[in-house]
Amino acid sequence: DSGVTQTPKHLITATGQRVTLRCSPRSGDLSVYWYQQSLDQGLQFLIQYYNGEERAKGNILERFSAQQFPDLHSELNLSSLELGDSALYFCASSPAGSSGYTFGSGTRLTVV
Amino acid sequence: AQSVTQLDSQVPVFEEAPVELRCNYSSSVSVYLFWYVQYPNQGLQLLLKYLSGSTLVESINGFEAEFNKSQTSFHLRKPSVHISDTAEYFCAVSVANAGKSTFGDGTTLTVKP
Repeated sequence: DSGVTQTPKHLITATGQRVTLRCSPRSGDLSVYWYQQSLDQGLQFLIQYYNGEERAKGNILERFSAQQFPDLHSELNLSSLELGDSALYFCASSPAGSSGYTFGSGTRLTVV
Repeated sequence: AQSVTQLDSQVPVFEEAPVELRCNYSSSVSVYLFWYVQYPNQGLQLLLKYLSGSTLVESINGFEAEFNKSQTSFHLRKPSVHISDTAEYFCAVSVANAGKSTFGDGTTLTVKP
């Protein structure tokens, strides 16, 4: 157990639907990062939150949004889902700064 | 912006042989460098990191990496691999104190008996 908890582990949904992925960071970590891992694009950075505020944005589609709550857990919302959104979505956390991440075990999203 | 190039997508080796996984990076500012390992159906785990100080860093399971600023490289090495080292390895770079990391495409290390 890495200390970063992601739920659900697997999600199968239809095109056009909306899903929410949840992440609880390791205790004491203020930063949360979301990454998408797919076979054709590798690990792509989506977004970072630090202590409730958006800190950096990567290749995140407009159909996707995220937030970090006062208890530091984070949610990634994916809407109007397309087949191409099928991927592994990882959450990672770190203390302040960039001394390395602790990753969760991921959510495997399958859009059918 | 930073970028990472992992020069080999797949590296097959025999058990107890040495291995080197190559990583080059590009950045105009000071960086931190990382190697992560991903076993099948698991998340990534931090293997080792270079933040500052000694350019040679080691992990607890026998891997080491050397930061070479002049060649902008951070190659990962192990003198003798085990079957259990079979996994995908990712090199990553981040701007010092900036948080966000950019990952390479990964190198699949397959250790054969």
